[in-house]
Amino acid sequence: AQSVAQPEDQVNVAEGNPLTVKCTYSVSGNPYLFWYVQYPNRGLQFLLKYITGDNLVKGSYGFEAEFNKSQTSFHLKKPSALVSDSALYFCAVRAPNDYKLSFGAGTTVTVRA
Amino acid sequence: GAGVSQTPSNKVTEKGKYVELRCDPISGHTALYWYRQSLGQGPEFLIYFQGTGAADDSGLPNDRFFAVRPEGSVSTLKIQRTERGDSAVYLCASSKDGERTGELFFGEGSRLTVL
Repeated sequence: AQSVAQPEDQVNVAEGNPLTVKCTYSVSGNPYLFWYVQYPNRGLQFLLKYITGDNLVKGSYGFEAEFNKSQTSFHLKKPSALVSDSALYFCAVRAPNDYKLSFGAGTTVTVRA
Repeated sequence: GAGVSQTPSNKVTEKGKYVELRCDPISGHTALYWYRQSLGQGPEFLIYFQGTGAADDSGLPNDRFFAVRPEGSVSTLKIQRTERGDSAVYLCASSKDGERTGELFFGEGSRLTVL
């Protein structure tokens, strides 16, 4: 079985400061990892994914994430947060022999001006 | 269409009634997923279609839930004898060719409220 843990329900940062949203996963085999963002009353939007290769992946809106196999983590980062980054963020994992994507419970990010 | 379309966006029904939720995926996407998102939780997998067939329905909670995709495009999620615990946002997503490396594209969801 595959699963994702997002240990923080909420993350609060000031605008211009670095933002980190934590994610750890459990899966058999090499994982396929994804980050999604959800704005109020909107669907989930894809941010970035790790499939193979370079451990640091870059995605939309200036976000990046680092895959760490030994720590089974895939933390989302942004060097300088914006108020408009305030949203709900979901980490997701897929096993290499599966099609379904399993999501974490989500982390609410609030960026204050 | 440009994105995944779901109707209705909101549905209020009474306990015991039958409900249908519709999903129109991105044109050309052969893979289609249904998820359920309860308040304060992440999306929970329900069922996955590759073409017309349900390749994985392991997430359907019980036999009151059923989904079809008769022509390999539009899908309908059907819920019989609705219960208050079925209240949630039902999300549909599609992806290209069912690639395991591909991301899912989500609709805005159908919010179901069972009174």
